[in-house]
Amino acid sequence: IAGITQAPTSQILAAGRRMTLRCTQDMRHNAMYWYRQDLGLGLRLIHYSNTAGTTGKGEVPDGYSVSRANTDDFPLTLASAVPSQTSVYFCASSVLGRDSIYEQYFGPGTRLTVT
Amino acid sequence: GESVGLHLPTLSVQEGDNSIINCAYSNSASDYFIWYKQESGKGPQFIIDIRSNMDKRQGQRVTVLLNKTVKHLSLQIAATQPGDSAVYFCAENNSGGGADGLTFGKGTHLIIQP
Repeated sequence: IAGITQAPTSQILAAGRRMTLRCTQDMRHNAMYWYRQDLGLGLRLIHYSNTAGTTGKGEVPDGYSVSRANTDDFPLTLASAVPSQTSVYFCASSVLGRDSIYEQYFGPGTRLTVT
Repeated sequence: GESVGLHLPTLSVQEGDNSIINCAYSNSASDYFIWYKQESGKGPQFIIDIRSNMDKRQGQRVTVLLNKTVKHLSLQIAATQPGDSAVYFCAENNSGGGADGLTFGKGTHLIIQP
C-alpha cells in the first residue's frame, strides 16, 4: 500500500505559469486536504474535500483551485503562479465518519519555487 | 479563525530524559486535538490524538494531556531517543465532526542532546 503519493517532488516554475500538483491516495479515504507549509507559519489549509464531488475553501485559498472527480485524486492547480506561492505543499487524507474525525495521513510533499 | 500556538520554538533535552512540549489554543469550540511529528524533508506523521471529552491519553512512550479550563495541550515523550528529534506540531479541529481540515500551531523543534 503506497498511502498518499504526490507529484512532482519538486518544481521550479516561472511566475505567470499554470501548474497542477497531483495527489493520489489508495486508502479509500473520503476526505482529502491541501496544506502549504512556510517557515514560521506552520501548515495552513488551502482547500479540502469531504467526499468526491465536493470541495471547500480553507484558510488560504486565493490563487488555488481544486477538483475532486473521484475518491482517490485531489489535484491542486495554480492558475497563474506568483512568487508568494513558493512553499512546500502537502496533501493529506482521512476517513470521515458520522460525528467522528479521524487522523489525517500526509503525503511526502511537493517543494515549489516560483521565480 | 482562531489560532493554535506553541510556547517555545525550540526544546533541547538530554537523551533518556522526558520531554514536554506545550501548546496553547484559543478556540474553546475545538473538540479534537492531534500531535504530529515532522522529520526534515518529510510530511507530518501522526503521533497521538485526544478528543475534548478526555483529559489524558497514552500511547507508546507518549502521553497527551488536555486542560480545557486553560486551553492547554501538552505532549510528553518518555525516555527521549535520538530518533525523537523533529519538529512537533499540535493541531485542532472544531468542525464538530466535519472534515474541514486542521488548524496547526507553528511547531516546536525538539533537539536531543547525546
